[in-house]
Amino acid sequence: DQQVKQNSPSLSVQEGRISILNCDYTNSMFDYFLWYKKYPAEGPTFLISISSIKDKNEDGRFTVFLNKSAKHLSLHIVPSQPGDSAVYFCAASEGNAGNMLTFGGGTRLMVKP
Amino acid sequence: NAGVMQNPRHLVRRRGQEARLRCSPMKGHSHVYWYRQLPEEGLKFMVYLQKENIIDESGMPKERFSAEFPKEGPSILRIQQVVRGDSAAYFCASSKSGGTNYEQYFGPGTRLTVT
Repeated sequence: DQQVKQNSPSLSVQEGRISILNCDYTNSMFDYFLWYKKYPAEGPTFLISISSIKDKNEDGRFTVFLNKSAKHLSLHIVPSQPGDSAVYFCAASEGNAGNMLTFGGGTRLMVKP
Repeated sequence: NAGVMQNPRHLVRRRGQEARLRCSPMKGHSHVYWYRQLPEEGLKFMVYLQKENIIDESGMPKERFSAEFPKEGPSILRIQQVVRGDSAAYFCASSKSGGTNYEQYFGPGTRLTVT
């Protein structure tokens, strides 16, 4: 039973345009959400997070939006750069269940020059 | 300012052998987590440890797998009598504290291949 889903396995975007990566979850107890970027043969790198008490968090080119009623979050990258090409994972944690992160399956982003 | 360190980066074991994976958390971090990534899948939680304590091992297989985080030295994930299905990337992460809202920072991973 996948509690965190990234339904698009891949996404291709032109350099300079917006990249939108989506993530859906089923566990209503999740209260903290994170996005990680992963290059091949490396560990995931933390990008940005959002608490369930917020609906938006912004850090430079990266913005995460959270829609709790739809159990949906998205990561916006503006403007997209070729160096953003990587696999992006969303992850969620449940406050009362300790610190376990539940990951989605990842979306491979390709930014074309 | 060293990040999370894992070694070895690559490990090849024959079926039936033991695999030992090491993880040194970031400076100032006392919470360690192990995750496993099978090919073409996301990361799956295995175990969460603090110094000398296993806090949550709900993701650990019941047999052959064990983890420790001693008072001194790195955290160790040990897999006894490895089988081909254990072939995966094993990632360690650390955080400053154990509450939610503390980001976990990941190491580069150990890629285990069982032949």
